[in-house]
Amino acid sequence: DGGITQSPKYLFRKEGQNVTLSCEQNLNHDAMYWYRQDPGQGLRLIYYSQIVNDFQKGDIAEGYSVSREKKESFPLTVTSAQKNPTAFYLCASSPERTGTDTQYFGPGTRLTVL
Amino acid sequence: GQSLEQPSEVTAVEGAIVQINCTYQTSGFYGLSWYQQHDGGAPTFLSYNALDGLEETGRFSSFLSRSDSYGYLLLQELQMKDSASYFCAVRDGTTDSWGKLQFGAGTQVVVTP
Repeated sequence: DGGITQSPKYLFRKEGQNVTLSCEQNLNHDAMYWYRQDPGQGLRLIYYSQIVNDFQKGDIAEGYSVSREKKESFPLTVTSAQKNPTAFYLCASSPERTGTDTQYFGPGTRLTVL
Repeated sequence: GQSLEQPSEVTAVEGAIVQINCTYQTSGFYGLSWYQQHDGGAPTFLSYNALDGLEETGRFSSFLSRSDSYGYLLLQELQMKDSASYFCAVRDGTTDSWGKLQFGAGTQVVVTP
């Protein structure tokens, strides 16, 4: 079955540690996205990538980093510079490099920093 | 820049009809999308309107008025499983940000027996 996988579902880290969230898709989509969602709030874009080896900052990129070395993979690193990293992180992909309004989301990773 | 406004919560009984409004301000407009998200789950795409008018998909319909920068999602014959958050979204129209979707804060729909 085609889809987007994120791992792990729950992640706990100590303050000051970097942590990398995995996102893999086998939908052959060009574009991939990372969003952050806080309780009772909407989705805020962290980074996005429209093609391999290229990515752009979203609205809240500070304290995060990404890479896009393969079409299928778009890992997100939450660095110690992110002041409030506890949140629900969602990865998404879409089939067209030039943008589409249909995005397909993974199940999310809930990160808790202790 | 862009902004989207939608109500924070709507409550209705099973079998009723609910309308979720969304007004937007955007530098370039290509269409209005709607997504559904159940508690703790991933958002799923519901509908997309690029042109004025009503799009119907089963019990859900979505409407757009480009001249009014306004749209709505209509949920008919409400079922308990429709209790979820609903987000409207527009695509960033600026050239260097093509592909970005801007999401509203979401409307929590609560369906009661």
